[in-house]
Amino acid sequence: QLRLQESGPGLVKPSETLSLTCTVSGAFISSSSYYWGWIRQPPGKGLEWIGSLSYSGDTHYTPSLKSRVTISVDPSENQFSLKMTSVTAADSAVYYCARQNSRPDKAFYDWGQGTLVTVSS
Amino acid sequence: SYVLTQPPSVSVAPGKTARLPCGGNNIGSKSVHWYQQKPGQAPVLVVYDDTDRPSGIPERFSASNSGNTATLTITRVQAGDEADYYCQVWDNSGDVRVFGGGTKLTVL
Repeated sequence: QLRLQESGPGLVKPSETLSLTCTVSGAFISSSSYYWGWIRQPPGKGLEWIGSLSYSGDTHYTPSLKSRVTISVDPSENQFSLKMTSVTAADSAVYYCARQNSRPDKAFYDWGQGTLVTVSS
Repeated sequence: SYVLTQPPSVSVAPGKTARLPCGGNNIGSKSVHWYQQKPGQAPVLVVYDDTDRPSGIPERFSASNSGNTATLTITRVQAGDEADYYCQVWDNSGDVRVFGGGTKLTVL
């Protein structure tokens, strides 16, 4: 059974960099069968796709965050990561990692439980 | 950028049928996915590729997609169906995934 688990600091200071990791179990992260993504949800608001990473290493980001976000993969640890620079209070949210099957038009089939990140001094 | 529009809320009595629309320009040409999210929990996929259900999702959940509107239909609504529901597509013009704003389903 495929499982995803987010980890990282729950509190980040304004202007600093948010760094989160998603550990995947039950599947090889380098498999050509999957895409890997990050989605966030500010308190009381809807879901926002941040970006995705393909099995070939291609990345795509939502335009509004593209200048501040990097998604990368560490196959040796079976993990993928999110880095977001210059954070503000507006970046406070629950951050989810998720898995898509094989193509970018496929659904997010599996989700992590989410991790709350608060941006505050 | 591609926009998906969902009504903020829908209310339905127990045992009745709930229809949750998701509007988008020519959405019928895209694959639509639907997620259920209960308070404090991660989203759960309930319908993918317009009409398919993952294993474990009741047959009471179905969906359609045509023209400019996709619709999630929940028959014989139960109290446990009360949740937020999100539609989602892939916009190939920018290679971005797009979520609708979500609909809160209230069971009266």
